[in-house]
Amino acid sequence: GAGVSQSPRYKVAKRGQDVALRCDPISGHVSLFWYQQALGQGPEFLTYFQNEAQLDKSGLPSDRFFAERPEGSVSTLKIQRTQQEDSAVYLCASSPWEQGKQLFFGSGTQLSVL
Amino acid sequence: RKEVEQDPGPFNVPEGATVAFNCTYSNSASQSFFWYRQDCRKEPKLLMSVYSSGNEDGRFTAQLNRASQYISLLIRDSKLSDSATYLCVVPPTSGTYKYIFGTGTRLKVLA
Repeated sequence: GAGVSQSPRYKVAKRGQDVALRCDPISGHVSLFWYQQALGQGPEFLTYFQNEAQLDKSGLPSDRFFAERPEGSVSTLKIQRTQQEDSAVYLCASSPWEQGKQLFFGSGTQLSVL
Repeated sequence: RKEVEQDPGPFNVPEGATVAFNCTYSNSASQSFFWYRQDCRKEPKLLMSVYSSGNEDGRFTAQLNRASQYISLLIRDSKLSDSATYLCVVPPTSGTYKYIFGTGTRLKVLA
C-alpha cells in the first residue's frame, strides 16, 4: 500500500510480557518517528530514525523501551516487561528527507496491558 | 511554560457557526506549523500548514502571530463532519528532530 502500515492493530498483554510493534513506512521516506498517545492527550515523541540511524531517543520513557530500524525501512518498537502505564496507542509516522515536512501517520497499535 | 499549549475544549457549536482555536508555542525560533485533525480512534491527518502569516483553504483559515507566539485555526460554516480533535504541531527547528504536539482541542458540531 501507499501509506504507513502498523501491526498489530490491537495488542493485549499481561503485565510483565514483552511486546513488539511493527511499522512499515512509506517507501522512500528517510525519516521515521514513534509516538505514544494516551487517551485524551496529544501524541508524545518517543524516538526518531533517519534511515537506520537512531538520532533521537530522548522520549523513550525507560530502558524497557527499545526501537530499531536495521535496514532503514521497517521499524520495530519493543517494550520489555510491560507495565499498566504502558497502555496507550503507539503511532508511527514517516516523512520525506526534508526537515519540517508533514508527518504521515499509520493507524497505530493500541496496547492494553492487564 | 509548555512547549505547545492548546485549550482542550470541548467546543460545542451549532452547524453553520464560526469557531476559532488558538495554540501558543514557546520556541521563538519556530518558523512553520501544522494543524492536524484526528478523528476518534484514528490517526492524525494533516489539515493545514502555516508557513508565514497565514493560510486559507476553503472554510479553514490558519493565522500566525509571531510577536505573541500563537497560531489560530478558524472554521467557518461548521459542518457535522468537522467534529474531531484539532492538534497544533510545531516541527523541529535546526539541530532538533522531534515534532511537538499540543494536547488537541476537541470540537463537536451539533445539528
